[in-house]
Amino acid sequence: GNSVTQMEGPVTLSEEAFLTINCTYTATGYPSLFWYVQYPGEGLQLLLKATKADDKGSNKGFEATYRKETTSFHLEKGSVQVSDSAVYFCALRNQAGTALIFGKGTTLSVSS
Amino acid sequence: SQTIHQWPATLVQPVGSPLSLECTVEGTSNPNLYWYRQAAGRGLQLLFYSVGIGQISSEVPQNLSASRPQDRQFILSSKKLLLSDSGFYLCAWTDPRTGRHLEAFFGQGTRLTVV
Repeated sequence: GNSVTQMEGPVTLSEEAFLTINCTYTATGYPSLFWYVQYPGEGLQLLLKATKADDKGSNKGFEATYRKETTSFHLEKGSVQVSDSAVYFCALRNQAGTALIFGKGTTLSVSS
Repeated sequence: SQTIHQWPATLVQPVGSPLSLECTVEGTSNPNLYWYRQAAGRGLQLLFYSVGIGQISSEVPQNLSASRPQDRQFILSSKKLLLSDSGFYLCAWTDPRTGRHLEAFFGQGTRLTVV
């Protein structure tokens, strides 16, 4: 079946530090991959996405590359800000477009 | 443009009471609809999804049920709430005509506390 595994949190960083949140997936066929962000008390917002192997999604300084050979979609940012503090979810949508599966989320806390 | 509405935003209910959470989508037709629950420390769990009116798939057997009485309406219900039903409930939709590419769109969520 389809599944998503992401690193356990919380992740605590100082402002301007480098961020990596690991995400690996299991899926049949060719899923699309997503990173969502959830700010306190709010719903989920799409951060970035990639729809085929070797695609790089990017937004607000965040990047992630769809690696089919390692079944990974790690999230990176070169210099985090306090405003990046949130919960980050890795997700996949199966090839048929019906199932939308999320990882358990990683809490990021950035201090100044 | 498409919008998704979810209500209420917060709810405090006693154990054993019924539950009804509603989600509606505007600006599209025949969406795929989803209910997720986010419990503390347990991430985002898919509860139900629906690909059409009256078509409900349950991902996790539990004290909840879902119904889709209209194309753009998705309701999450319970006859008798348990303490373990507390959590943050999120409704989402995707457009099946776009296949696998487009992201899901989420409502603002309902914070349910069972006391």
